[in-house]
Amino acid sequence: GNSVTQMEGPVTLSEEAFLTINCTYTATGYPSLFWYVQYPGEGLQLLLKATKADDKGSNKGFEATYRKETTSFHLEKGSVQVSDSAVYFCAPNSHSGSNYKLTFGKGTLLTVNP
Amino acid sequence: DAGVTQSPTHLIKTRGQQVTLRCSPKSGHDTVSWYQQALGQGPQFIFQYYEEEERQRGNFPDRFSGHQFPNYSSELNVNALLLGDSALYLCASSGTSGIDTGELFFGEGSRLTVL
Repeated sequence: GNSVTQMEGPVTLSEEAFLTINCTYTATGYPSLFWYVQYPGEGLQLLLKATKADDKGSNKGFEATYRKETTSFHLEKGSVQVSDSAVYFCAPNSHSGSNYKLTFGKGTLLTVNP
Repeated sequence: DAGVTQSPTHLIKTRGQQVTLRCSPKSGHDTVSWYQQALGQGPQFIFQYYEEEERQRGNFPDRFSGHQFPNYSSELNVNALLLGDSALYLCASSGTSGIDTGELFFGEGSRLTVL
């Protein structure tokens, strides 16, 4: 099955700093790739996605590019805000026949200080 | 448009007891997946239901069982609770396009504590 290696946290940054959270995965075939975010006290929300090689997913200033050659999907943001403080999860999907599921990394806790 | 709703939000049980968690999917969604999220960990896939049948299952023992109803809502049952079952249980729903890509909509979860 799929597996995900995600950058260990916690990550603490000052407001307006540059963010990178590394994610590499192993998978059979060509999965779709996702970043989910979990804000304090809330459920997981889809942040962005990419469905094929070289696709760039983007949302709320965050970006990640599907790199098939390095099996990576690193999350970046040029200038973080306090409101970005959350746990971030990288997740490739996998399928068995027509059935799909997500495999999540352990998550990276990001704290942004004013 | 209501999103994914789960109940109860919190509950406390003792070892050996049984628990039932409930989930209503987002309007228009017909597939429900359940995940277990231990403290400080990522969600782990338990199983997925579609058309009232279990379509696929993760590496969880038979103590974990589920059901999907004709209105697409779902239940997760855990028997003979162990201390290690303490976790946040997340329900996620998806529609036809979500099935193809794995895009899921999550509820806020049910926090289970086993004493």
